[in-house]
Amino acid sequence: SQQGEEDPQALSIQEGENATMNCSYKTSINNLQWYRQNSGRGLVHLILIRSNEREKHSGRLRVTLDTSKKSSSLLITASRAADTASYFCATQGNEKLTFGTGTRLTIIP
Amino acid sequence: KAGVTQTPRYLIKTRGQQVTLSCSPISGHRSVSWYQQTPGQGLQFLFEYFSETQRNKGNFPGRFSGRQFSNSRSEMNVSTLELGDSALYLCASSLVQGPGNTIYFGEGSWLTVV
Repeated sequence: SQQGEEDPQALSIQEGENATMNCSYKTSINNLQWYRQNSGRGLVHLILIRSNEREKHSGRLRVTLDTSKKSSSLLITASRAADTASYFCATQGNEKLTFGTGTRLTIIP
Repeated sequence: KAGVTQTPRYLIKTRGQQVTLSCSPISGHRSVSWYQQTPGQGLQFLFEYFSETQRNKGNFPGRFSGRQFSNSRSEMNVSTLELGDSALYLCASSLVQGPGNTIYFGEGSWLTVV
């Protein structure tokens, strides 16, 4: 079963704009991770944020985590055509990863 | 270094048959887990192995099984295939078991059951 939901399910923006995706989850976590998946390919790990962290940056990516609201957001700044993909959040308690439903991001050149 | 390698990449099987998928983790990684991805159910956890022992199992029927070898390579097997088993099967590895370790995924094995 899915741990949580991602919002929006699909997002289309112009190249150069910023993209924001949100993830909500249900149970307590040790950490939350974001992954990217290009069509029909494997998952690429983007960033991991621990439950005691509130914000993390990696290049053009900014992730926030609000454990009181059980939610996280992924911001991609200055989007590029190559950012077109599906993005998944995944929560981890003690062991396995539990994935959200994903956001399909399309960057329009 | 090489990433997680899964074979075969694509395969077609007939209902009732069985299939074995293989996964070679990143060198030095000892934890291997498997996921099923379908349009309807999304990404679902199958099982996790560490040091040749199954440490965690998802909510799948007994037709789904797996094992891990002493070199950390892993295989999963699905017996008596059903149409609903058509999916992308993803293998992932991490250095050790437990939370907080970055988990790396392979490209997956596309299984079509006809």
